[in-house]
Amino acid sequence: AQSVTQLGSHVSVSEGALVLLRCNYSSSVPPYLFWYVQYPNQGLQLLLKYTTGATLVKGINGFEAEFKKSETSFHLTKPSAHMSDAAEYFCAALLYGDDKIIFGKGTRLHILP
Amino acid sequence: EAGVAQSPRYKIIEKRQSVAFWCNPISGHATLYWYQQILGQGPKLLIQFQNNGVVDDSQLPKDRFSAERLKGVDSTLKIQPAKLEDSAVYLCASSLGRGIGTEAFFGQGTRLTVV
Repeated sequence: AQSVTQLGSHVSVSEGALVLLRCNYSSSVPPYLFWYVQYPNQGLQLLLKYTTGATLVKGINGFEAEFKKSETSFHLTKPSAHMSDAAEYFCAALLYGDDKIIFGKGTRLHILP
Repeated sequence: EAGVAQSPRYKIIEKRQSVAFWCNPISGHATLYWYQQILGQGPKLLIQFQNNGVVDDSQLPKDRFSAERLKGVDSTLKIQPAKLEDSAVYLCASSLGRGIGTEAFFGQGTRLTVV
């Protein structure tokens, strides 16, 4: 069964520092992968997605993620953190032909002034 | 383009009462999902519809939860009777449907508190 694992339920970085949120998937076939962001009392908003093609994907708000098949990973990065990036981030996977989107448990990102 | 609409935004009920949530997906989206998000956890899929048919309800507690999607558009999720552990945010999402990398678009959710 496919699953999504996010390493670290809480991550703290200083404003201006690099953001790195980790995501690994387990699936015999590489799935389609997504990162969503959730602000307090809001629904989930898509940051970026990987389907096929280029393995480095750029999303909104300066975020990007790289699909690495050999490592079964899809880590999310941002070169310079901003206070407005403080939120919960979810990695998700969708198997082709399945249509069921599975979420990781989420990582809460804290930005330190 | 209008997003996924959910109502109500908040609901407080006593245990053993019943409650219903409503979702209106993005126009033209064939797939509709209901997720349960317990505080501090990721969303858990409860049920998935493709048009008005159920694709997956393997994690829906069928003794108390039910959902329908009449005419393949709006959907309702019902809990009867509610338990304390049902306190969560219920998220509705929709997507275009079967296809390559079709992401889900989420509503703002309904926060349910069972007391």
